[in-house]
Amino acid sequence: DVKVTQSSRYLVKRTGEKVFLECVQDMDHENMFWYRQDPGLGLRLIYFSYDVKMKEKGDIPEGYSVSREKKERFSLILESASTNQTSMYLCASSTPRQGLGYEQYFGPGTRLTVT
Amino acid sequence: QQQVKQSPQSLIVQKGGISIINCAYENTAFDYFPWYQQFPGKGPALLIAIRPDVSEKKEGRFTISFNKSAKQFSLHIMDSQPGDSATYFCAARAAGNKLTFGGGTRVLVKP
Repeated sequence: DVKVTQSSRYLVKRTGEKVFLECVQDMDHENMFWYRQDPGLGLRLIYFSYDVKMKEKGDIPEGYSVSREKKERFSLILESASTNQTSMYLCASSTPRQGLGYEQYFGPGTRLTVT
Repeated sequence: QQQVKQSPQSLIVQKGGISIINCAYENTAFDYFPWYQQFPGKGPALLIAIRPDVSEKKEGRFTISFNKSAKQFSLHIMDSQPGDSATYFCAARAAGNKLTFGGGTRVLVKP
């Protein structure tokens, strides 16, 4: 059973703080993703990674960076948090080894509030 | 600008009724169309998916209808149950395993 865990369910930070969101998956998946979820906008891709130390920008990378030093861990970094980054953040993983489906498995999400 | 447009944003259906959610896309490079289901406090989970060479796929009470020429696809939930109350997202995959999601539909099934 695939498990994707995220370090915090709820987080409150102040404007200008550096924020780290951690994601760990236990299925040896090559691909990992960070999304933010906002009402009416669905899930929007921030960054993704195909393998260790590899990263690619998604659709809304501005204000974010990522780190993937180990295969199972993918971190999202807000260099200087702003109020417009208040959102639900979702991490996901997948593997091309499962066939053409490429199902993404999601963590429970971190609700971040920036005040 | 959303590449996958989903409607309606919310819908209420009586138990036993049919829920219908529609999605439209522009990018003809999309090659895989999954639907994800999300319950409150949980991450989305894959519900059902279809490839563009198939016009319909059914799994239990859930059916995807796909119209390639119109670039539209829809999810039908037959005999809707209160346990189906959730948010549903359509998505489309382009090269590189990137998914583009629709805006989501919150479904409430009344007993």
